Amino acid sequence: DQQVKQNSPSLSVQEGRISILNCDYTNSMFDYFLWYKKYPAEGPTFLISISSIKDKNEDGRFTVFLNKSAKHLSLHIVPSQPGDSAVYFCAASGNAGNMLTFGGGTRLMVKP
Amino acid sequence: NAGVTQTPKFQVLKTGQSMTLQCAQDMNHNSMYWYRQDPGMGLRLIYYSASEGTTDKGEVPNGYNVSRLNKREFSLRLESAAPSQTSVYFCASSPSSLETQYFGPGTRLLVL
Repeated sequence: DQQVKQNSPSLSVQEGRISILNCDYTNSMFDYFLWYKKYPAEGPTFLISISSIKDKNEDGRFTVFLNKSAKHLSLHIVPSQPGDSAVYFCAASGNAGNMLTFGGGTRLMVKP
Repeated sequence: NAGVTQTPKFQVLKTGQSMTLQCAQDMNHNSMYWYRQDPGMGLRLIYYSASEGTTDKGEVPNGYNVSRLNKREFSLRLESAAPSQTSVYFCASSPSSLETQYFGPGTRLLVL
């Protein structure tokens, strides 16, 4: 039973528009959430994170929103660029800290 | 700074053969991890080492062993490979177990 789910395996967006990637979790003990970005033949790279004491965190074009009551988080990319085309993984950790639980990933394609 | 390096990049094994995947980091990180990535499953933690001298099981440890050789190196051993172990294996490290993880480029393993 997957504790972190990304229900959209793929998303296609036009350059300049907003990309919204979604993630749902079931474990109420999760208190720290991260997004990783992965290009083909490379390892995942950290993008942005959010603690459960916040509901929003921004870093440039990237914003992560957390809705604890719905156990849902989303990553917004504005404006989307072709270089953003990659697989995006959300991940969560609980008070154990050292174990990340990953979602299955969403492939984002940004068309020029 | 090479970051996290993994060898080999690609390996083909026959069922029952053994091999060791190597991982090294040059960031003086205390914690190291081994994950496997399978289609639609995201990354799943196999084993981790919170600090030099300690190792612990993750979500999917069966069929694997690990060695934290020193602070820099963390190896993953398959004693008797099975086709179900066909996957992409990622090593990661972090300054401590509560901090962001940095990933290597991965090892693609095919077990026939």
